[in-house]
Amino acid sequence: QKEVEQDPGPLSVPEGAIVSLNCTYSNSAFQYFMWYRQYSRKGPELLMYTYSSGNKEDGRFTAQVDKSSKYISLFIRDSQPSDSATYLCAPGGNNFNKFYFGSGTKLNVKP
Amino acid sequence: NAGVTQTPKFQVLKTGQSMTLQCAQDMNHNSMYWYRQDPGMGLRLIYYSASEGTTDKGEVPNGYNVSRLNKREFSLRLESAAPSQTSVYFCASNPDGANYGYTFGSGTRLTVV
Repeated sequence: QKEVEQDPGPLSVPEGAIVSLNCTYSNSAFQYFMWYRQYSRKGPELLMYTYSSGNKEDGRFTAQVDKSSKYISLFIRDSQPSDSATYLCAPGGNNFNKFYFGSGTKLNVKP
Repeated sequence: NAGVTQTPKFQVLKTGQSMTLQCAQDMNHNSMYWYRQDPGMGLRLIYYSASEGTTDKGEVPNGYNVSRLNKREFSLRLESAAPSQTSVYFCASNPDGANYGYTFGSGTRLTVV
């Protein structure tokens, strides 16, 4: 069983839509939950992180963690063409800063 | 500019050739990592180094070796390249503390023919 499962997409939405990106994970010991954004032919960049269960909001982005169901979500409000990228979830942090990456969901926001 | 620098950006190797991928960070981070990224597989950890002088295997270490030369530099060596090692390789670093996440380099695109 993979540590992290993520729907690869691609997900195509019109500009202004609300986007929901999701992951499931298997290790109940994970404490930190990261979301990375990766533009084509670039390295991933940290977008948001959440510690333990709950929600965290940063501008148009909201990260949500439900540890009881081992489910991670990222919501993007008022999506923009510049949000078109691959989004990687990465839970972990329980074993010396090691994180486990999902395969990424490719998002395309159409103008 | 502060960050993680990887060289080279692109490389084509013939099967059996060897090469070293270089990585350097100037953020005074203790931990450094090497990942490979393949379509549909996500990022997979090859090796990591918790501090200068220490290295540990990750999920897919076979066919690779690493050296933590000093606090700044962490190199990845392919001794005898195979077509299965065709991938995009990313180096990352992290200060002490899991809540900081990783800072990634821009990657090395390696093709083994």
